[in-house]
Amino acid sequence: DVVLTQSPATLSVTPGERISLSCRASESVDTYLHWYQQKPNESPRLLIKYASQSISGIPSRFSGSGSGTDFTLSINGVELEDLSIYYCQQGNSLWTFGGGTKLELK
Amino acid sequence: VQLVESGGGLVQPGKSLKLSCSASGFTFSSYGMHWIRQAPGKGLDWVAYISSSSGTVYADAVKGRFTISRDNAKNTLYLQLNSLKSEDTAIYYCARSWGGVMDAWGQGASVTVSS
Repeated sequence: DVVLTQSPATLSVTPGERISLSCRASESVDTYLHWYQQKPNESPRLLIKYASQSISGIPSRFSGSGSGTDFTLSINGVELEDLSIYYCQQGNSLWTFGGGTKLELK
Repeated sequence: VQLVESGGGLVQPGKSLKLSCSASGFTFSSYGMHWIRQAPGKGLDWVAYISSSSGTVYADAVKGRFTISRDNAKNTLYLQLNSLKSEDTAIYYCARSWGGVMDAWGQGASVTVSS
């Protein structure tokens, strides 16, 4: 099974700063890596697909990069509404999720 | 696009439960569908997948106990949960699949396995 490791587990942020979240795969997943946001008591929603492709309706401050085993989700100018848990998910070999990164207010 | 789960509840260990996911706003028969679960305070855990042609795949943790199925005439996805264990306690989400991307999610159905 492909294991996805996300870091850090928790990130304390200040509104307006640029941040990066990491997702590392135990083997290559090419660009079959997707990012989701889950706000408290809500369902997850798709943020970025195929490592770097944007999703309609998602603010442009969210971007993704990477291929193979190392991926990054960046938020350029964090807003209070972005305080959530972020999950990566691979779809190259069945489907697995990373453990998540929680964004909290500093 | 709307996905609405139902059928959750409290069930004793070893018993069964059937979840439903009613789909609307898209051509249900053209899409693969997933079930994903989230145990209390934990992360997301993929459970099962059914293709548009009804091929199925399961996570090892549920293989042989859970069955995913679909009724395209009713635009409904199902998950039959048998031989339930306490570790199956979770919110169960259905999600639409397109090219391996889970691009739409339901609100979830809560399943609690306890005596």
